Amino acid sequence: GAVVSQHPSRVICKSGTSVKIECRSLDFQATTMFWYRQFPKQSLMLMATSNEGSKATYEQGVEKDKFLINHASLTLSTLTVTSAHPEDSSFYICSASPTIRGPTDTQYFGPGTRLTVL
Amino acid sequence: QKEVEQNSGPLSVPEGAIASLNCTYSDRGSQSFFWYRQYSGKSPELIMSIYSNGDKEDGRFTAQLNKASQYVSLLIRDSQPSDSATYLCAVNRQGAQKLVFGQGTRLTINP
Repeated sequence: GAVVSQHPSRVICKSGTSVKIECRSLDFQATTMFWYRQFPKQSLMLMATSNEGSKATYEQGVEKDKFLINHASLTLSTLTVTSAHPEDSSFYICSASPTIRGPTDTQYFGPGTRLTVL
Repeated sequence: QKEVEQNSGPLSVPEGAIASLNCTYSDRGSQSFFWYRQYSGKSPELIMSIYSNGDKEDGRFTAQLNKASQYVSLLIRDSQPSDSATYLCAVNRQGAQKLVFGQGTRLTINP
C-alpha cells in the first residue's frame, strides 16, 4: 500500500518551454501533497505544499508563477515548470500524505522526475 | 542551529555489524519522527516511523526516540551491502503539514 507514482520519470526539454509533471497516489487519497527539488549531492528542498481544492503554499524563495501547482483531486497533483531554463534542471520529487489526520501523518514519496533543460 | 541535524558521514561499517545513525532536533513541539532511505539517484523510501519514547523494532531496523534529549536514532543490525545509502531523518510538529529533513547521513557497508 501507499504507492505514489510520477510521470514522466525523465524529461529533456529546450530552454523556454514548459514541462508538466504528474504525481498520483495510487491506492490512497491524499489531501496534501508536497513537491521537492533535489540537486546532486544535496538534501531535499521543499518547494511547496499542495492541498486539494486550494492554492498551494510555496516556500520562501520559490517563484509561484514559475512553478505552477494544481491539486484538483485527492489523487492527483501536477507541477508545471514554466519557461524552463538550464538552472531548473534538477530531480523533482513529490510526496503524498494519506487523508487520515493526526500526528501520525506520513509522507510517501514518488519515484521522482529528472528534468534536464538544454 | 539547524532544526534537524545529522552527521553527514560518510559512515563506514563492516558487513554484519550494527550501523548506528543519529539525529537531533531543536523543536520540542515535534511529535512525529521518520527515517527514510535514499539510494543514489532515487527518491526517499520510508524505513521507520516513531512517535513515542523508547524503541521500535522492525526486522533488522530499530528506531530509538528520546524526547527529553531531543534525539532519534536508527540502528541497522546485520548490516548488508544493500543497506549502503543515504539515511534521512525527518521530523514533524503536531498540526504541521510539512516534514523538516536533516541533511542525511551517507552509510557505506563494506563487504
